Amino acid sequence: AQSVSQHNHHVILSEAASLELGCNYSYGGTVNLFWYVQYPGQHLQLLLKYFSGDPLVKGIKGFEAEFIKSKFSFNLRKPSVQWSDTAEYFCAVTARSGSARQLTFGSGTQLTVLP
Amino acid sequence: NAGVTQTPKFQVLKTGQSMTLQCAQDMNHEYMSWYRQDPGMGLRLIHYSVGAGITDQGEVPNGYNVSRSTTEDFPLRLLSAAPSQTSVYFCASTPPGGGYEQYFGPGTRLTVT
Repeated sequence: AQSVSQHNHHVILSEAASLELGCNYSYGGTVNLFWYVQYPGQHLQLLLKYFSGDPLVKGIKGFEAEFIKSKFSFNLRKPSVQWSDTAEYFCAVTARSGSARQLTFGSGTQLTVLP
Repeated sequence: NAGVTQTPKFQVLKTGQSMTLQCAQDMNHEYMSWYRQDPGMGLRLIHYSVGAGITDQGEVPNGYNVSRSTTEDFPLRLLSAAPSQTSVYFCASTPPGGGYEQYFGPGTRLTVT
């Protein structure tokens, strides 16, 4: 079974600072990787995803993530955060084999951006 | 398309009561799932379904029951509510193909007293 670790539980940044949120997964096979965002009081929305190909993927709102297979990592980055990026961010992984499509989520990182 | 819809938005139950959380999607997705979200624990899979008539357990199935009689609907039943089931519940659906990304509903906030 796969597992996901997000080591930063709460990150506080000022506007215009750069962001990097860590995500490591544990699984022996091929995976699909995701970052979801949950704005206050809202449901989860997909930020970006990696299936194959270029390990640097770009998502919505200026976010990007890099898949480093040797490190089992899929860190999320943004060069300059805005107050509106305040939200909880979840990394998730699913195995690419089998008919089931269960997502395994990390515990989440709460990002607070100070104006 | 309305996407994934959930009702109710909020619910308070007393210990021992039963209830059904409703989930529906109008995107003709075969795969649907239920998660609970608790602070510091992310989302944990309760039950999932790969199509009408087929359901299976996820990581935390105890105390919950599901059925899937149609492609559109995937209700979650709490058989005898306990305070440990206080949580936010999210339903999600996945389109066919290899993408595996999931579309989430707005959630149901459940409090069991």
